[in-house]
Amino acid sequence: DAGVIQSPRHEVTEMGQEVTLRCKPISGHNSLFWYRQTMMRGLELLIYFNNNVPIDDSGMPEDRFSAKMPNASFSTLKIQPSEPRDSAVYFCASSLVSVNTDTQYFGPGTRLTVL
Amino acid sequence: AQKITQTQPGMFVQEKEAVTLDCTYDTSDPSYGLFWYKQPSSGEMIFLIYQGSYDQQNATEGRYSLNFQKARKSANLVISASQLGDSAMYFCAMREGVAAGNKLTFGGGTRVLVKP
Repeated sequence: DAGVIQSPRHEVTEMGQEVTLRCKPISGHNSLFWYRQTMMRGLELLIYFNNNVPIDDSGMPEDRFSAKMPNASFSTLKIQPSEPRDSAVYFCASSLVSVNTDTQYFGPGTRLTVL
Repeated sequence: AQKITQTQPGMFVQEKEAVTLDCTYDTSDPSYGLFWYKQPSSGEMIFLIYQGSYDQQNATEGRYSLNFQKARKSANLVISASQLGDSAMYFCAMREGVAAGNKLTFGGGTRVLVKP
């Protein structure tokens, strides 16, 4: 089975540009998570969805960040306008929340560099 | 206060020896889950092992085992018979109860380097 798919794997952009990160969760999973990893702050949750509905976006740093999940097989994280401090690795993860398990499986990440 | 604490920023281990990675957690929720992930230099996050707060036995997955001491709020990962491929960052994470949603809080990680 395919794991979580993220694109692009690497993104280099200039300050002020719009950046869109994409994620395809594992088929059948009902929860999707966006994380950001930096040396300074470690791994931090940005937002997560249950059944395509945003549940907790308290980790989204500011209004420049937005996330959508239009259907069960696709999500986007958008940064507009981007800033150098947004440079990080962005992970998408998905899980099947059930009585017995809710293990999150991560995608390979998108390494974002904002110049 | 930190919810997940990993006190060992880095450690060396000799190939074929066992290594224990420390993790302590803080929660007042009686229902929670503890996870360990491995992040090799290639960057992906690989799920290793899970322990539920109500599980009676310590979790095991191949060479990985979790030393779960509920009263001490610790969930140490034990890797037996270390291999060179075990060199990586290891993260402990906690998912608190249903009311908190199923989001994970991660510790700062421990870097393990296996020496031949």
